[in-house]
Amino acid sequence: SYVLTQPPSVSVAPGQTARITCGGNNIGSKSVHWYQQKSGQAPVLVVYDDGNRPSGIPERFSGSNSGNTATLTISRVEAGDEADYYCQVWDSSSDHVVFGGGTRLTVL
Amino acid sequence: EVQLVESGGGLVQPGGSLRLSCAASGFTFRGYWMSWVRQAPGKGLEWVANMNQDGSEKYYVDSVKGRFTISRDNAKNLVYLQMNSLRAEDTAVYYCASDGQPFDHWGQGTLVIVSS
Repeated sequence: SYVLTQPPSVSVAPGQTARITCGGNNIGSKSVHWYQQKSGQAPVLVVYDDGNRPSGIPERFSGSNSGNTATLTISRVEAGDEADYYCQVWDSSSDHVVFGGGTRLTVL
Repeated sequence: EVQLVESGGGLVQPGGSLRLSCAASGFTFRGYWMSWVRQAPGKGLEWVANMNQDGSEKYYVDSVKGRFTISRDNAKNLVYLQMNSLRAEDTAVYYCASDGQPFDHWGQGTLVIVSS
């Protein structure tokens, strides 16, 4: 089955840029979606189809995807960005949805 | 405004059954795939099952295959998850989500605890 690998944690100071990676075999050939989950809340879609933002999501959130790595980039990080972030793809070979293990973003 | 409201969670003994419901509003329900996603305490997200618009296609994560059944009622804008032969490892918050790949909208979740 398809596996997505994320670092368990990323730390960044306010105002700096956070980059959260999501590794998978030839992930560049898939559409990657990213979700933000704050403590005690349901997940929220922040980036879809590699690099598109839903309405209402700040431009500070962006994404890229190439080769074996997809990346969520959060520019000018704010305290309110502290959350768990999950990448997700649909694996056509198994018709299964796959989530990465999640990355906790800590704002120092 | 899109709303997804789950219900039906609770405490159940191992081997027991529960049926979760998810009421949808604010979007064209019959036009969307729907999914259930769960999150065990302190753990990450795990996709459980999804189904297409008319219910003719259904897919399940291997760990629930043969025990869980997803269904929907397009006339009532409801999606269900029938869970049988529950195990301790099924303990989680269960979310329903509109599945447009991506998961566009999520409910707030309902907690299922499997314990004796």
